[in-house]
Amino acid sequence: KQEVTQIPAALSVPEGENLVLNCSFTDSAIYNLQWFRQDPGKGLTSLLLIQSSQREQTSGRLNASLDKSSGRSTLYIAASQPGDSATYLCAVGSSNTGKLIFGQGTTLQVKP
Amino acid sequence: DAGVIQSPRHEVTEMGQEVTLRCKPISGHDYLFWYRQTMMRGLELLIYFNNNVPIDDSGMPEDRFSAKMPNASFSTLKIQPSEPRDSAVYFCASSTDRGVYNEQFFGPGTRLTVL
Repeated sequence: KQEVTQIPAALSVPEGENLVLNCSFTDSAIYNLQWFRQDPGKGLTSLLLIQSSQREQTSGRLNASLDKSSGRSTLYIAASQPGDSATYLCAVGSSNTGKLIFGQGTTLQVKP
Repeated sequence: DAGVIQSPRHEVTEMGQEVTLRCKPISGHDYLFWYRQTMMRGLELLIYFNNNVPIDDSGMPEDRFSAKMPNASFSTLKIQPSEPRDSAVYFCASSTDRGVYNEQFFGPGTRLTVL
């Protein structure tokens, strides 16, 4: 059974700092991995999608990497801003079940 | 594009009552997903449809839950009778062809409270 873990559960950093969020998964049989952002009381916004054949994706200040063999992904946020404060969720598309399996998320607070 | 639309945004009901949640996917998307988010279990897929047909409902917790998609632009998730443990945020998402293997677009969610 695929399990997705995100560490840390919460993170507080000063504005301007570069940071890394971690995601690990137990089954390497995945189609893709997505990083989402969720603001309080809101839905999920897709940030980056990495196909299983890819190693990384970049969008602006965000860079996501994927190491399928070790079951890990990281989301790198450069020069963090208070507006980046949100919960970040990682989800893997399971080849076996055809479903998105979500981690519990990392809640990020960027202090001005 | 208006994105995925869900209604109501908030619902408070009493135990035993019927609850109906509604979703309008993004036009042209062939896949529709219903998820539930709780503090204890995180985000879980309940059911998904392809071209209005239910494909996998293995995540539906029990017979009190049912979902329909009568046409390409509308889906409902019904709970009858509702119980306090059903309190959660319910999200609808949609996607183009290849469904779960493509990017999913989420609605704002319906926060359900069952007293």
